[in-house]
Amino acid sequence: GNSVTQMEGPVTLSEEAFLTINCTYTATGYPSLFWYVQYPGEGLQLLLKATKADDKGSNKGFEATYRKETTSFHLEKGSVQVSDSAVYFCALSGVSYGSRLTFGEGTQLTVNP
Amino acid sequence: GAVVSQHPSRVICKSGTSVKIECRSLDFQATTMFWYRQFPKQSLMLMATSNEGSKATYEQGVEKDKFLINHASLTLSTLTVTSAHPEDSSFYICSGGAGDETQYFGPGTRLLVL
Repeated sequence: GNSVTQMEGPVTLSEEAFLTINCTYTATGYPSLFWYVQYPGEGLQLLLKATKADDKGSNKGFEATYRKETTSFHLEKGSVQVSDSAVYFCALSGVSYGSRLTFGEGTQLTVNP
Repeated sequence: GAVVSQHPSRVICKSGTSVKIECRSLDFQATTMFWYRQFPKQSLMLMATSNEGSKATYEQGVEKDKFLINHASLTLSTLTVTSAHPEDSSFYICSGGAGDETQYFGPGTRLLVL
C-alpha cells in the first residue's frame, strides 16, 4: 500500500535560516504529491503540489521537487520567517478525482526571531 | 483556490447528546468529501469517504452507527456524532475535491464532550 515518511520533528530554526523537511514515499503507479501546512487551531492549507516526476511545486518561497528515482518530495525554503511556524504534512494521492490522501506524520516547525 | 467551510468551529456538549457538523464547499461542487479526525500533535486519521447521493465508506475501526455521514448535495456533507462521549472529543476536519486529485480542507471543528 501507499505510505509517506517525514523527517521527525520538531524542527527549531532561527529566522532567515534555510529549511529542509524530508519526505519519502512508497506508492504504486504515479501518485500526485502534496505539502499541506496547518497553523495552530486551524485546518490544513494546500502549500504546493506536483503531479508528475521532475515537477517542481512552489508557493510563498517554499519549493519541492518530485523525484521519482529517489521517491522523495523534500520541502525547502531559503529563508524562513517567524510566520512560517506551523505543522507541515507531506501527502500523496492517486491521480484520479476522489482519491484518498495518504499523510505523513507531520513535522512541527518553530521559527524563533 | 477552492474554499471549504465547516460549522460550527467549536462545540461543547454533554455526554449522551448528538452533535452535527456541517462541511460545505463554497465555490465548487464536491462529488466526494472526506472526514478526518485529528488528535493533538498527530496526523489526520481518515474516518470515512462521503459520496454524494450514496452511503459513506467507513475506514476500518470507525463505527458507522456512531459517526453518521450524509452527503445530500454536491456542496454539503454532514457528520453527526451520536451519543457523544468524552473519548469522542477531538478535532474533526473535512475535505473535498474540486475536480482533480487535490483536496481542499475545511478549518476544522473542535468538539469537547463533557
